[in-house]
Amino acid sequence: NAGVMQNPRHLVRRRGQEARLRCSPMKGHSHVYWYRQLPEEGLKFMVYLQKENIIDESGMPKERFSAEFPKEGPSILRIQQVVRGDSAAYFCASSLATGTRNEQYFGPGTRLTVT
Amino acid sequence: AQTVTQSQPEMSVQEAETVTLSCTYDTSENNYYLFWYKQPPSRQMILVIRQEAYKQQNATENRFSVNFQKAAKSFSLKISDSQLGDTAMYFCAFSHRVGGATNKLIFGTGTLLAVQP
Repeated sequence: NAGVMQNPRHLVRRRGQEARLRCSPMKGHSHVYWYRQLPEEGLKFMVYLQKENIIDESGMPKERFSAEFPKEGPSILRIQQVVRGDSAAYFCASSLATGTRNEQYFGPGTRLTVT
Repeated sequence: AQTVTQSQPEMSVQEAETVTLSCTYDTSENNYYLFWYKQPPSRQMILVIRQEAYKQQNATENRFSVNFQKAAKSFSLKISDSQLGDTAMYFCAFSHRVGGATNKLIFGTGTLLAVQP
């Protein structure tokens, strides 16, 4: 069984460019979560999506950041006009919709470096 | 708002010994989940153990067990027979239960555990 997949694993962008991070959840999982880990810090929740719906975006910065999880294809976290402070590891996690074991399974992360 | 506190930034243990990592949390909810995640140098987040708040019995997974004290809002992780591969950052996390699915995870700041040979 393939786990949660994220690509790219490493992404380098210049200030002002756009960054697109992709996440394919585990097979059968319809819930996707994005987290950000700044250097030397813990993970901070950004957004929670189900297919075609944003359920909770309370952790998303108000500007430049957006997320989607279309009916077909991976979830995308998009950062427009990146700044140095966006440099971080971005983790995606997925979970089942129902059942007793609703753990979130994490992907390997995308390390974004803004130069 | 829910918060998770890990008061031990770093800990060290000798191989084969036992170590306990502390975690406290704050919530007004009654139904929730608690987790310990491990993040080795590879940066991959690995679920170590989970606990449902409505279960009084402490969760156990092989060498890993928890001491869940609901009234005290405490959720410590005990690692027995420590191995070199246990060296990692350990994060305590909270999630309140929404319907049948978990919601966002709220993480503590982590405890860096070093297992010494």
